[in-house]
Amino acid sequence: QVQLQESGPGLVRPSETLTLTCTVSGGSISSHYWTWIRQPAGKGLEWIGHIYSSDSTNYNPSLKSRLSMSLDTSKNQFSLTLTYATAADTAVYYCARILYGYHDPFDVWGQGTLVTVSS
Amino acid sequence: EKVLTQSPATLSVSPGEGATLSCRASESIASNLAWYQQKPGQAPRLLIYGPSTRATGVPGRFSGSGSGTEFTLTISSLQSEDFAVYYCQQYNDLPTFGQGTRVEIK
Repeated sequence: QVQLQESGPGLVRPSETLTLTCTVSGGSISSHYWTWIRQPAGKGLEWIGHIYSSDSTNYNPSLKSRLSMSLDTSKNQFSLTLTYATAADTAVYYCARILYGYHDPFDVWGQGTLVTVSS
Repeated sequence: EKVLTQSPATLSVSPGEGATLSCRASESIASNLAWYQQKPGQAPRLLIYGPSTRATGVPGRFSGSGSGTEFTLTISSLQSEDFAVYYCQQYNDLPTFGQGTRVEIK
């Protein structure tokens, strides 16, 4: 049974870089697309981006200029990097698996990690 | 960007009653729609996709229908564990989510 676990700093200073990692257990990272979603407190869900391989990514246009995603098959991990963080980036960040291919729902989710952007 | 509008924002239902949640897309998304359930402090859980296929382990009281721009999630007889927020999501294009429908105990 595939499980996902997010990790990273809970506090990021404004204008600094937010980096999160998702560790996949119980399955190979090479066989699926993977994605990040975030949710500000009390609000809805926002898709951040997908990654399949190091050169196959899709990003939310609203974040594209600050966002990059990478994948480490040796560690079965994928990561998110968001530069120039602001208070608007404060949210619970989830990593998830995409069911089959690019145009599919998200069938396995991590528990989420809260990131606060504050000085 | 394809916008999803869910209605109602809040639905008050008594246990044992049925509930119907709606999701409207700003343009056609064919059948590329999913429904998620989220309880407080938990990650969303995939319920329905495609838009009528139940995900693994989802009880039969949950059903989905629709195509194009109009979609519905029906819960036939609400159990205590079904009171939660429900989100629709389109994956026809770059994914977007609806704003959610809160199903609360009446």
